[in-house]
Amino acid sequence: NFMLTQPHSLSASPGRTVTLSCTASGGNIVDNYVQWYHQRPGGAPTTVIYEDDRRPSGVPGRFSGSIDSSSNSASLTISGLQTDDEGDYYCQSFDKNKSVFFGGGTTLTVL
Amino acid sequence: QVQVVQSGAEVKRPGSSVRVSCEASGGSFTGISWVRQAPGQGLEWMGRIIPFFGLRNLAQTFQDRVTITAGTSANTFYMDLSNLRSEDTALYFCATENSHYTILNWGQGTLVTVSS
Repeated sequence: NFMLTQPHSLSASPGRTVTLSCTASGGNIVDNYVQWYHQRPGGAPTTVIYEDDRRPSGVPGRFSGSIDSSSNSASLTISGLQTDDEGDYYCQSFDKNKSVFFGGGTTLTVL
Repeated sequence: QVQVVQSGAEVKRPGSSVRVSCEASGGSFTGISWVRQAPGQGLEWMGRIIPFFGLRNLAQTFQDRVTITAGTSANTFYMDLSNLRSEDTALYFCATENSHYTILNWGQGTLVTVSS
């Protein structure tokens, strides 16, 4: 079965750069697009990266996405960290039938 | 950008059903996905509808209890969940998809509480 695994939590200081990882198992990460969603406590998710490395309008260039076939993983990099970047980040991809699978989420703390 | 607005919170008894509605406006999209989030938990995909083709996909977990439909007015969609149990207490989100099944725009969420 297809699964996406994310580290449970991560912390970094304001202004620094952080990279969140998302490792696929039961399938190849390159076979389907990867998305990243940000969710603040009590709020709805918002899409910050879609189709591996594309940013929706309104998402700053500090957010970037990439795929690494050698480690079968995807990454979300946030540079110039701001306190507003805190929250949960979920990666998402698909199985061969286009069913949607989410990673368990990474809680990012900016302190 | 597409705006997605969902119906309000619901409180239901175990064994009953709930309908959550979703209206998407202000742009184009290909499909609508439904995602839920139990308290303190992660995101769980329930299924999607691609209205132009009349196609529906459901996650295996929800095959026998979820119905996703399109309303008679354009851009209104419904998710019906039957035989509710306490574990169905969650925030339910509707979101638009593009032609690559990519989720782009999310609704604000609808809290469904199942309690006797």
